[in-house]
Amino acid sequence: KNEVEQSPQNLTAQEGEFITINCSYSVGISALHWLQQHPGGGIVSLFMLSSGKKKHGRLIATINIQEKHSSLHITASHPRDSAVYICAVRWPGGGADGLTFGKGTHLIIQP
Amino acid sequence: SQTIHQWPATLVQPVGSPLSLECTVEGTSNPNLYWYRQAAGRGLQLLFYSVGIGQISSEVPQNLSASRPQDRQFILSSKKLLLSDSGFYLCAWKELGVNEKLFFGSGTQLSVL
Repeated sequence: KNEVEQSPQNLTAQEGEFITINCSYSVGISALHWLQQHPGGGIVSLFMLSSGKKKHGRLIATINIQEKHSSLHITASHPRDSAVYICAVRWPGGGADGLTFGKGTHLIIQP
Repeated sequence: SQTIHQWPATLVQPVGSPLSLECTVEGTSNPNLYWYRQAAGRGLQLLFYSVGIGQISSEVPQNLSASRPQDRQFILSSKKLLLSDSGFYLCAWKELGVNEKLFFGSGTQLSVL
């Protein structure tokens, strides 16, 4: 079983701060997804990583396969970044969808 | 472009009543479709998946069922709802390949009273 741990569970920061959300897993994976869930409940896919680093606008995602760890960074954070950020890992034992999801990090950016 | 529609957004149903949640996708053909449930403080749990019309697999035993009557339509049903069926339900589609991507519906908040 692949344990997916996200930290912190909750994070409140001021607008403009640099944000880091972490995801660790216990079993080797083939890919890792970062997802964003807005207060209304809809989920948007941000990144899929299998190695290295990806950047999209103010969002940066990195993964270290050897250390079984990924981070999601937000630069110049804004209140509209407030959401739950979910990490999901793809591994051979992850069920029909191949995925195991973390419980999410609840981020609040205050103006 | 690919889109996924899910409805209704919220639903309040009495115990013992039937359920039907519908999900449709656009902009793709023969998609892999999934139904998830999200409980408070827990990660998404896969309920059903389908790789084609009429092909349904269940991941966990439960009071729910799923059907895929058309290529881009996925339905979650129950004949008699239980209190424990309350939760947030999400339909999803996975685009396979090197740049695998997940698309989620907007979700349905189901309250069984």
